[in-house]
Amino acid sequence: GAGVSQTPSNKVTEKGKYVELRCDPISGHTALYWYRQSLGQGPEFLIYFQGTGAADDSGLPNDRFFAVRPEGSVSTLKIQRTERGDSAVYLCASSSGAGNYGYTFGSGTRLTVV
Amino acid sequence: ELKVEQNPLFLSMQEGKNYTIYCNYSTTSDRLYWYRQDPGKSLESLFVLLSNGAVKQEGRLMASLDTKARLSTLHITAAVHDLSATYFCAVDGGDDKIIFGKGTRLHILP
Repeated sequence: GAGVSQTPSNKVTEKGKYVELRCDPISGHTALYWYRQSLGQGPEFLIYFQGTGAADDSGLPNDRFFAVRPEGSVSTLKIQRTERGDSAVYLCASSSGAGNYGYTFGSGTRLTVV
Repeated sequence: ELKVEQNPLFLSMQEGKNYTIYCNYSTTSDRLYWYRQDPGKSLESLFVLLSNGAVKQEGRLMASLDTKARLSTLHITAAVHDLSATYFCAVDGGDDKIIFGKGTRLHILP
């Protein structure tokens, strides 16, 4: 596609529920990133994929968070047993891999845990 | 661990004035990015700086990179209200993940 697409744009869920957030990167971009942005803060790195594999998942806060990219394109961020502290905007970005052209971000998914 | 610090975090300025936002980072890097974010919106790429001494300009914004000082600046010339936004710098610490600063919230008064 022309840009990075994230769905849903908004998600409200109850504490303890499971959620999935989807990211469809720019076609041909091999690198895909997930970030989390809390109100008034900068984006916080979560996980980075190069192709199908997670090259760096050091930013995932705990084992309730998991992400996959099975075919090297679309990625899904999965959060189990959601907590109110998980409420944030989850941003996805993709790049051609070298970073020389920067990173294109999607519009984000605003997750609210009530 | 790479740390990225921006200052100031908040800036209110008059239209027509010049100002500079600073971005310091803690480890060696030759890749630095500037982004703009409007309220409720995603991040828009402004500049990609890939080498020491790199300078890029777009309209009233100019960004530069000094890798020896681990410093980047974003200079605003003759500010206009439309430039009001939050500006982030982000640094690649060499492992292909970029770390963001906390952002500078810029408010330009008409």
